[in-house]
Amino acid sequence: EIVLTQSPGTLSLSPGERATLSCWASQNVNSASLAWYQQKPGQAPRLLIYGASSRATGIPDRFSGSGSGTDFTLSISRLEPEDFALYYCQQYETSPLTFGGGTQVEIK
Amino acid sequence: QVQLQESGPGLLKPSETLFLTCTVSGGSVFSNYWNWIRQSPGKGLEWIGYTHYSGNTHYNPSLNSRVTMSVDTSNNHFTLKVTSLTAADAAVYYCAGWNERNRAFDMWGQGTMVTVSS
Repeated sequence: EIVLTQSPGTLSLSPGERATLSCWASQNVNSASLAWYQQKPGQAPRLLIYGASSRATGIPDRFSGSGSGTDFTLSISRLEPEDFALYYCQQYETSPLTFGGGTQVEIK
Repeated sequence: QVQLQESGPGLLKPSETLFLTCTVSGGSVFSNYWNWIRQSPGKGLEWIGYTHYSGNTHYNPSLNSRVTMSVDTSNNHFTLKVTSLTAADAAVYYCAGWNERNRAFDMWGQGTMVTVSS
């Protein structure tokens, strides 16, 4: 099983600042098999990024993904009030499909 | 736009069987691999498995022996069954559609809370 470790657990930032979230995989993950989701309280996760760097439909361009191998990053260029939420990475390089433990982006 | 809606009992007792349904509206159950994912405070997001109208299924080994999924093409929904429930199965259960091209879940139900308590 591929374990995804997200860092930091909590990120405290102000609106307008840049957020950088990390996701490390215990084994190599093909970039095509790495996705990022955003989750707000009481809601289901929402797909942000697929294929490590492609934005899903309707996702603003302030969200970007990068990385390869075992090291992946989600960046939010300028935090908007609605971006304060929980973020997860997910892989399906191998079964079982796994998610990271999440990074909470909170208002400083 | 495709919408997913979970339904099923919210409260079950230990050793009982959970049965959930996910209704697909605005789309067809023939179009995707359909998944169940659960979220509990202690374990984050956990993928349970997927099912397909062809009968192809694949489950997370962590629950493999207790899980059954299927697609009901007549009613445009798919189902999850989990047997021998324990308190560790208490979670919000989500149904989700897998986009094979993008290799990600691009549609989700709102989730249904399942409590396991005697």
